[in-house]
Amino acid sequence: SQTIHQWPATLVQPVGSPLSLECTVEGTSNPNLYWYRQAAGRGLQLLFYSVGIGQISSEVPQNLSASRPQDRQFILSSKKLLLSDSGFYLCAWSGVENTIYFGEGSWLTVV
Amino acid sequence: GIQVEQSPPDLILQEGANSTLRCNFSDSVNNLQWFHQNPWGQLINLFYIPSGTKQNGRLSATTVATERYSLLYISSSQTTDSGVYFCAVELMDSNYQLIWGAGTKLIIKP
Repeated sequence: SQTIHQWPATLVQPVGSPLSLECTVEGTSNPNLYWYRQAAGRGLQLLFYSVGIGQISSEVPQNLSASRPQDRQFILSSKKLLLSDSGFYLCAWSGVENTIYFGEGSWLTVV
Repeated sequence: GIQVEQSPPDLILQEGANSTLRCNFSDSVNNLQWFHQNPWGQLINLFYIPSGTKQNGRLSATTVATERYSLLYISSSQTTDSGVYFCAVELMDSNYQLIWGAGTKLIIKP
């Protein structure tokens, strides 16, 4: 069966520090991969999606970037965090039917 | 762009009650999915339902694509049903982008 994991689960980072969130998917090949952000409250905002290795599309211009170095690995990064980057980050994957499955989420607090 | 509206925004019920959550969308879509986010943040896919009706235990969902709405039914609510319920639609001209509703926050009181 397919599984998705992301880490770290929580982190507190100072303004201006770098960020790296990692996500891996097991049990499937060539998945579509996504990074979402959920600010306080509801609403999911799509940040990046990838349909293959090295193929990244950005939905929202910002100081975040994403990379897909391997088929089932998706990384969210920043060189210098802003206060506004705080939030709940979710990695997700989808397969043939485009049914989407989420990781456990990462709580980021920028102080 | 397409609009996805969920109602009601908030719902408070007693354990054992039934509820109906609604999702309206403003344009034709490829598919629609319902999700539950528990109080700890975990998002779980409940239904992939571009049309018709599906049932899974106490939950069922119906999508009427021609009328651009979907309903999620929860029967005999339990406290573990609390959380936020989202619907998300896939655009006709895209196979990887979902447009999300703002969610319905459900609180089930014991």
